Amino acid sequence: KQEVTQIPAALSVPEGENLVLNCSFTDSAIYNLQWFRQDPGKGLTSLLLIQSSQREQTSGRLNASLDKSSGRSTLYIAASQPGDSATYLCAVVGGGATNKLIFGTGTLLAVQP
Amino acid sequence: KAGVTQTPRYLIKTRGQQVTLSCSPISGHRSVSWYQQTPGQGLQFLFEYFSETQRNKGNFPGRFSGRQFSNSRSEMNVSTLELGDSALYLCASSRGEPGRYQETQYFGPGTRLLVL
Repeated sequence: KQEVTQIPAALSVPEGENLVLNCSFTDSAIYNLQWFRQDPGKGLTSLLLIQSSQREQTSGRLNASLDKSSGRSTLYIAASQPGDSATYLCAVVGGGATNKLIFGTGTLLAVQP
Repeated sequence: KAGVTQTPRYLIKTRGQQVTLSCSPISGHRSVSWYQQTPGQGLQFLFEYFSETQRNKGNFPGRFSGRQFSNSRSEMNVSTLELGDSALYLCASSRGEPGRYQETQYFGPGTRLLVL
């Protein structure tokens, strides 16, 4: 059974710092991995999708990497801003005829001005 | 292009009642999935639909059901509500057939259900 873990559970950094969020999964046979952010009481905003054949994806100040063999993904946020404060979730799709996302528990990020 | 929309945004019900939630996917998207989010269990998969057919179902009791219409809009129904059904219900849409394409899934704002 696939399990997804995110470390740390919470993180507080001063504005301008570069930071890394971690995601690990127990079954390396994933179809793809997606990173989301969630603001309090809101839905999920898709940040990056990494397909199984890819090693990384970039969007603006965000860079996500994927190492299937070690069951790990990282989300790198450069030059953090207070507006980046949110919960960040990673989720994997395990393959087969499904889009079912298996989510981690999230990292709550606070960027202090 | 409009995003995924969900109605209603908020609901208050009492135990034993039933509720129907609606999800309209992004135009052109044919796959819709539903998730329940609670503080204790996090995000859990309920079911997914494609071309009006339920393709997969999560580990939830039969009180939870859903359907998809020919225009790809989807509804989920919860009968005989329990206190533990209080949660944020999220739907997600994607363009193609589940598992056939590696594509981004887009989420709606959710429906917050409170059961008293």
